[in-house]
Amino acid sequence: GIQVEQSPPDLILQEGANSTLRCNFSDSVNNLQWFHQNPWGQLINLFYIPSGTKQNGRLSATTVATERYSLLYISSSQTTDSGVYFCAVRRISGGYNKLIFGAGTRLAVHP
Amino acid sequence: DTEVTQTPKHLVMGMTNKKSLKCEQHMGHRAMYWYKQKAKKPPELMFVYSYEKLSINESVPSRFSPECPNSSLLNLHLHALQPEDSALYLCASSQGQGENSPLHFGNGTRLTVT
Repeated sequence: GIQVEQSPPDLILQEGANSTLRCNFSDSVNNLQWFHQNPWGQLINLFYIPSGTKQNGRLSATTVATERYSLLYISSSQTTDSGVYFCAVRRISGGYNKLIFGAGTRLAVHP
Repeated sequence: DTEVTQTPKHLVMGMTNKKSLKCEQHMGHRAMYWYKQKAKKPPELMFVYSYEKLSINESVPSRFSPECPNSSLLNLHLHALQPEDSALYLCASSQGQGENSPLHFGNGTRLTVT
């Protein structure tokens, strides 16, 4: 099956700092999503980005499908950005179609 | 994402109890999912329903029984659970199971088995 690796596993930032989270995957994929899970367990869609670049406020994401990685950029971080960031991928072909999650990057933003 | 609604938010049950988790979406999605998430781990797929038919069962023990009464509703019936089944149970939906079908998650049910 597809392997999804996220780095770094843990990240501590001061409020206002910028950061880049990385997601590597081992095979070609059809779908890729970034999620933020807040401390209450809510899993929030950030981006659906199988390829290309998207921006939403202070967050942006880039997926280079041919090189099998995706990056999530957080600028001017805020304490509310704390939580776990998951990358998840899905490959439609091959007779098995499911969303596979990476282990996540645990982010703590301190005031 | 709050377009997928899960009830209850919290549930405490004994090992001999029978309970059900409920999930509802009104986005017209035709695929619905149950995921289980243990502390400090990513969500793990349990079941997938596509067009109200079970399409994927990830070898889940029979004490978990899914049901999809219609295209908007998904239930997870629980019976004779073990303490290790305590976890966050997440429901999700997507337009279909193909490309251009991102998953939308509910807020989860936090289950404690005593």
